[in-house]
Amino acid sequence: DAKTTQPTSMDCAEGRAANLPCNHSTISGNEYVYWYRQIHSQGPQYIIHGLKNNETNEMASLIITEDRKSSTLILPHATLRDTAVYYCIVIRNTDKLIFGTGTRLQVFP
Amino acid sequence: GAVVSQHPSWVICKSGTSVKIECRSLDFQATTMFWYRQFPKQSLMLMATSNEGSKATYEQGVEKDKFLINHASLTLSTLTVTSAHPEDSSFYICSAANLAGGRDYNEQFFGPGTRLTVL
Repeated sequence: DAKTTQPTSMDCAEGRAANLPCNHSTISGNEYVYWYRQIHSQGPQYIIHGLKNNETNEMASLIITEDRKSSTLILPHATLRDTAVYYCIVIRNTDKLIFGTGTRLQVFP
Repeated sequence: GAVVSQHPSWVICKSGTSVKIECRSLDFQATTMFWYRQFPKQSLMLMATSNEGSKATYEQGVEKDKFLINHASLTLSTLTVTSAHPEDSSFYICSAANLAGGRDYNEQFFGPGTRLTVL
């Protein structure tokens, strides 16, 4: 599975868009980009995933560059409840989700 | 999304005792369940993969005789920490997925976690 690189932490003002980057320069053609998040002391929560097209759901948008070497998760209007650790994971299937260190997003009032 | 429950949500036990944690998929059939462990301020670490009706596959460094996993039905998997010691104190999280049908991808649905404290 491809390795991902994410910033350790980010801040975002409540109501603003939170843009979380992820680099995955060694991604292969049949690997998907998945995003999960973990709010403190809870189990992780699936957010979104994509292969090469941009994706949007009720939680977030996923923008994948044309060369697929990086992606950005966008929370369009961050709230305090979005404070969490966000994990970008690249996998061929969900046989094994391997979590890295993720990005700790702090949304402030 | 699908709902996965864990029981108990927290447990305190004495050193040397065994503790069983249940993971249930409430509204879908989980062909595969995964068990993770998370120490404070660290990321989740995959311990084992459990397929319904077969033996679990453990990750390197995880003792299969200490962490017994049973996945007897499509909605229930159990993790038993045998002869628990203080160093086993951790947050244990399960996830469930339906990998049937040869699909390339699936979402995993995570339980809320079980906090184990061994005195």
